[in-house]
Amino acid sequence: AQTVTQSQPEMSVQEAETVTLSCTYDTSESNYYLFWYKQPPSRQMILVIRQEAYKQQNATENRFSVNFQKAAKSFSLKISDSQLGDTAMYFCALPDSNYQLIWGAGTKLIIKP
Amino acid sequence: GAGVSQSPSNKVTEKGKDVELRCDPISGHTALYWYRQSLGQGLEFLIYFQGNSAPDKSGLPSDRFSAERTGGSVSTLTIQRTQQEDSAVYLCASSLETLDEQYFGPGTRLTVT
Repeated sequence: AQTVTQSQPEMSVQEAETVTLSCTYDTSESNYYLFWYKQPPSRQMILVIRQEAYKQQNATENRFSVNFQKAAKSFSLKISDSQLGDTAMYFCALPDSNYQLIWGAGTKLIIKP
Repeated sequence: GAGVSQSPSNKVTEKGKDVELRCDPISGHTALYWYRQSLGQGLEFLIYFQGNSAPDKSGLPSDRFSAERTGGSVSTLTIQRTQQEDSAVYLCASSLETLDEQYFGPGTRLTVT
């Protein structure tokens, strides 16, 4: 069965710093997607970035990038030049064999002014 | 365009009562998901609708939970004989197709007293 593990319950950094959130997973699939979602205090879940496992190039979206290590089953999210609006819960997610997303427990990220 | 909407945003009910939670997905999205999120936790998959196929109910925690999707659009999640452990935020999401980005609604916070 697929599993997703986020080992950092909470992190805090100063505004403008770079922060990396870790995610490890387990799957028997060879082709799959990985997702990072953000949930700010407003409760609205928003997709941050998506990685396709067959692509070797790490996905990037503006200040957000991933470090995808397929062999190590690691999928970390790097946020550069962090902003106050980045304060949120961040969830890593992986589809299971029925295409349902398996979610990590989340990392609470606090950006301090 | 309009995003995913959910109603009510908050619901307080007495133990033993039935509740109905509504989700309006983005027009044209064929996939619709219901999740439950307990305080400080990740998302727990409940049920998934894809087009006209039979729904994937594998995540429903008990037979007190049911959901339907009428006309391939609006969905209603019904919880019968509510229990205190049902207290959580119930999130609905829709996507154009399976494995596409899921767009989330703001959720319904259910409190069972």
